[in-house]
Amino acid sequence: EPEVTQTPSHQVTQMGQEVILRCVPISNHLYFYWYRQILGQKVEFLVSFYNNEISEKSEIFDDQFSVERPDGSNFTLKIRSTKLEDSAMYFCASLLLAGAQETQYFGPGTRLLVL
Amino acid sequence: DAKTTQPTSMDCAEGRAANLPCNHSTISGNEYVYWYRQIHSQGPQYIIHGLKNNETNEMASLIITEDRKSSTLILPHATLRDTAVYYCIVRGLASGGSYIPTFGRGTSLIVHP
Repeated sequence: EPEVTQTPSHQVTQMGQEVILRCVPISNHLYFYWYRQILGQKVEFLVSFYNNEISEKSEIFDDQFSVERPDGSNFTLKIRSTKLEDSAMYFCASLLLAGAQETQYFGPGTRLLVL
Repeated sequence: DAKTTQPTSMDCAEGRAANLPCNHSTISGNEYVYWYRQIHSQGPQYIIHGLKNNETNEMASLIITEDRKSSTLILPHATLRDTAVYYCIVRGLASGGSYIPTFGRGTSLIVHP
């Protein structure tokens, strides 16, 4: 069964450094998402991406964040200058079509630790 | 999306059926009920969804009341690996990829031996 993959599984970085989290969505999917989950808290939406542009973003997704689909397969989340509070699990998800019956599939996540 | 209410936690004996309730009294006619689960530190996993009729797949059954104001996810023979947080999400028609599921706290299901 096709699945969403994410790399790396774990990332440790120093505060102020840039990180890039990578995702390979399911190959024929058209909509892509990033979520985060701070330890012990809810899964929070960050951004959705369709047709090579951001379609929606939450208030969490401020100027330090950016997303890109650099080629036909990867979908990346860049955090420009990490802060301690960016430590979280980051999940990528993809969706085939924007219908109410369409299922969103999530990747296994990247655990980011900012020191 | 309609708001959902779930119990904070439940437990179930291994091999027995786990019945997880969800209230969605403000659901509208074109909104689907989705269930996901999240095993510790993993990504949310799709389980099942439905609109009006009861649904069954290899993982679970979904029973939706006739008025659609509540539903129950049934894991017919729970195993220890079913220990997870279960999320009930109600979603409507999306346009332009703007669908954003809102994850609440869900129900923490513990399956014990």
